[in-house]
Amino acid sequence: KQEVTQIPAALSVPEGENLVLNCSFTDSAIYNLQWFRQDPGKGLTSLLLIQSSQREQTSGRLNASLDKSSGRSTLYIAASQPGDSATYLCVWRIEGSYIPTFGRGTSLIVHP
Amino acid sequence: GAGVSQSPSNKVTEKGKDVELRCDPISGHTALYWYRQSLGQGLEFLIYFQGNSAPDKSGLPSDRFSAERTGGSVSTLTIQRTQQEDSAVYLCASSPFSGARANEQFFGPGTRLTVL
Repeated sequence: KQEVTQIPAALSVPEGENLVLNCSFTDSAIYNLQWFRQDPGKGLTSLLLIQSSQREQTSGRLNASLDKSSGRSTLYIAASQPGDSATYLCVWRIEGSYIPTFGRGTSLIVHP
Repeated sequence: GAGVSQSPSNKVTEKGKDVELRCDPISGHTALYWYRQSLGQGLEFLIYFQGNSAPDKSGLPSDRFSAERTGGSVSTLTIQRTQQEDSAVYLCASSPFSGARANEQFFGPGTRLTVL
């Protein structure tokens, strides 16, 4: 059974800190991995998609890396802001399957 | 362009009634997913459509749940004889099959279902 573990489960930091959110998965035959944010009562917003052939993707203050051999992905948030407060979800798919596996998320609070 | 839309945004129903939830995917996206998110829980896969292929229904929790996708576009999730444990947010996502963002999922805002 494929699983995704996200660490930490919750994080509260002051504005301006650089953050690292971790995601680990159980199968190196990964097809792709996607990071989302979810605001309370809202749907999921796609942040970054990493294909299995890629090592990292960047968008603005966000950088996501993928290490298939160790089964890990890291989402790096630079210079955090209160508007970054949300739950961050890691989602991955293995080769040959269209059904993704979701992590439980990291709940992030950035306070002014 | 327009994103994934879902309707209604909120639905309150009585136990035993049937409900229909609608999803309009992004135009041109061939893949469509339904998920359920219960309070404080992660996302639970329900069903997957890809083009004209037979859907993958392996995540449907019971035979009270069914879904259709007409013309490869709009999808409807139907829950018959609703139970209180069906209360959750139902999320729909679509993906393109090809291109630079192939297989990237785009989510709708969800439908919050409350069964009294």
